[in-house]
Amino acid sequence: DAGITQSPRYKITETGRQVTLMCHQTWSHSYMFWYRQDLGHGLRLIYYSAAADITDKGEVPDGYVVSRSKTENFPLTLESATRSQTSVYFCASRGGGSSYEQYFGPGTRLTVT
Amino acid sequence: AQTVTQSQPEMSVQEAETVTLSCTYDTSESNYYLFWYKQPPSRQMILVIRQEAYKQQNATENRFSVNFQKAAKSFSLKISDSQLGDTAMYFCAFILSNDYKLSFGAGTTVTVRA
Repeated sequence: DAGITQSPRYKITETGRQVTLMCHQTWSHSYMFWYRQDLGHGLRLIYYSAAADITDKGEVPDGYVVSRSKTENFPLTLESATRSQTSVYFCASRGGGSSYEQYFGPGTRLTVT
Repeated sequence: AQTVTQSQPEMSVQEAETVTLSCTYDTSESNYYLFWYKQPPSRQMILVIRQEAYKQQNATENRFSVNFQKAAKSFSLKISDSQLGDTAMYFCAFILSNDYKLSFGAGTTVTVRA
């Protein structure tokens, strides 16, 4: 299917476990982003990537790791999950040039117990 | 850092009526883009409308229109002829030209009553 997809859609994990959230886009967009959404905070940027093998920190990167070996994939890993990382995670992508709007995946609801 | 403020946490509107959501932002730059995103209960973030700061004409997309006041740094969204499907949280967002970071407001929950 065309567009941007995330998996899993729901995940429950325990404190201290490693968990990876997947993001895949079919538009060949240069930019990809990971956000978390928490009540009262809107969306906050965790990491972004301008191209394959180019990543950089956003507003709230602590506790997260990303990689981007292929243009279409941008996985987000929580190395040792904490309860404060319970959130809804959104992946987004954006084309280059003057196309500034971002297109979002359906989100992953992560619960850390 | 750019800040985006949505001062109305919740709004309620009768079906077929009009509702206006406010958004203000803070920047010293002159070239930027503004967006409104809709997040219905399905959680999907949907782009509603965009506005380029260099354009004086207000953007319109069907029943959705904006009132862009650059000097006042205000970017309000008007939803006309409200429909039940418009029930959602609405986020205002801002990005500088040649930047990567999209800054979001905290959101306004809109409930359309039958």
